[in-house]
Amino acid sequence: DIVMTQSPDSLAVSLGERATINCKSSQSVWSSSSNENYLAWFQHKPGHPPKLLIYWASTRESGVPDRFDGSGSGTDFTLTISSLQAEDVAVYYCQQYYSAPLTFGGGTKVEIK
Amino acid sequence: EVRLVESGGGLVQAGGSLRLSCVASGFTFNSYWMNWVRQAPGKGLEWVANVKEDGSGKNYVGSVKGRFTVSIDNAKTSMYLQINSLRAEDTAVYYCAAGSGWISGYWGQGTLVTVSS
Repeated sequence: DIVMTQSPDSLAVSLGERATINCKSSQSVWSSSSNENYLAWFQHKPGHPPKLLIYWASTRESGVPDRFDGSGSGTDFTLTISSLQAEDVAVYYCQQYYSAPLTFGGGTKVEIK
Repeated sequence: EVRLVESGGGLVQAGGSLRLSCVASGFTFNSYWMNWVRQAPGKGLEWVANVKEDGSGKNYVGSVKGRFTVSIDNAKTSMYLQINSLRAEDTAVYYCAAGSGWISGYWGQGTLVTVSS
């Protein structure tokens, strides 16, 4: 199974400041045949279902604000929130969908400082 | 509007069984992989199983193999999760999710399964 490791576990950022979340996979999730990284990012707020933010490591889902940016390739990925807003308080998860079983990172809790 | 509605959760004794359902609407059900994802109290997300749009492909996380069975009924635009031999560690909110390929873009609100010992 591919193990996904996120860091940090939590972070507190001032409104309008940048938040950076890291995700590392135990093996590459890049496919040479498709030239894509099979990596997604989700936002999860209490009492709500998870919401897809980013897929293929850097493609923003429709309707997701452009302050959310995904980057990275192979085994190392980053989700950046360029200017944190109050509504961004949530737990963020990376997930690989390169091979079954699909696996999530442990989550990163983002709060307002 | 895309809707995924889970049902079938509840309180069950360890060793018991449950059948979760997920009814979908608002998208072409037979073109999407369907997934079950769970979240135990105070824990993170855990992918549980998925099934291909025609039912020909199924995958499971190791901890549920042999106990959980995922299935779909395209005529009813529904997915099911048969859960047998329930354990305390299966206590969680179970979400249904749909995706293009294995990307889960649509999610239901979840159904709570509580296993008592």
